[in-house]
Amino acid sequence: AQSVAQPEDQVNVAEGNPLTVKCTYSVSGNPYLFWYVQYPNRGLQFLLKYITGDNLVKGSYGFEAEFNKSQTSFHLKKPSALVSDSALYFCAVRDNTGKLIFGQGTTLQVKP
Amino acid sequence: EAQVTQNPRYLITVTGKKLTVTCSQNMNHEYMSWYRQDPGLGLRQIYYSMNVEVTDKGDVPEGYKVSRKEKRNFPLILESPSPNQTSLYFCASRLTGAGGPEAFFGQGTRLTVV
Repeated sequence: AQSVAQPEDQVNVAEGNPLTVKCTYSVSGNPYLFWYVQYPNRGLQFLLKYITGDNLVKGSYGFEAEFNKSQTSFHLKKPSALVSDSALYFCAVRDNTGKLIFGQGTTLQVKP
Repeated sequence: EAQVTQNPRYLITVTGKKLTVTCSQNMNHEYMSWYRQDPGLGLRQIYYSMNVEVTDKGDVPEGYKVSRKEKRNFPLILESPSPNQTSLYFCASRLTGAGGPEAFFGQGTRLTVV
């Protein structure tokens, strides 16, 4: 069965430090992978995606993600965290029906 | 502005009273879907539609209905809501086809069934 796991419920980081939000996936075939962010009382906003090509994908707000096929991972990263990055982050994979399968979400807390 | 619009944003209702949550998109997207978000479970797909008059069940369809009579609209219908349908609901739309187009999400509808 296809699935996505985000092993950390919460990630805490100091402003200015690098951040990583982890995601691993299990899917048959080549994966379409996505990261979304949810701010309080808002919908999900698209950050970035991996479809094919370069394993390092750059997205919105300075975020990037690294696709690692051998480790079946797609970790979200940012070199220097901002307090305004504090939000709930979701990793997702698209299955062959077009459905997005989401991880359980990781709350990122960036402290000043 | 390209967007997915859901209404209402907040709804409190009683068990058994039929309700409809509307969803409309202005991007001419073929694919539309409904998800529910519950703590610790992420988002789970309820129903999806590949195009007008084409709908299919997602992972958690029990207790829900949908229709797709027009391309832009995809309402979610709860014929007889129950407390276990208390959740945060999101409508999403995207293009179909190659390239893995990303989905656009509405602002969400927080439903409480008492």
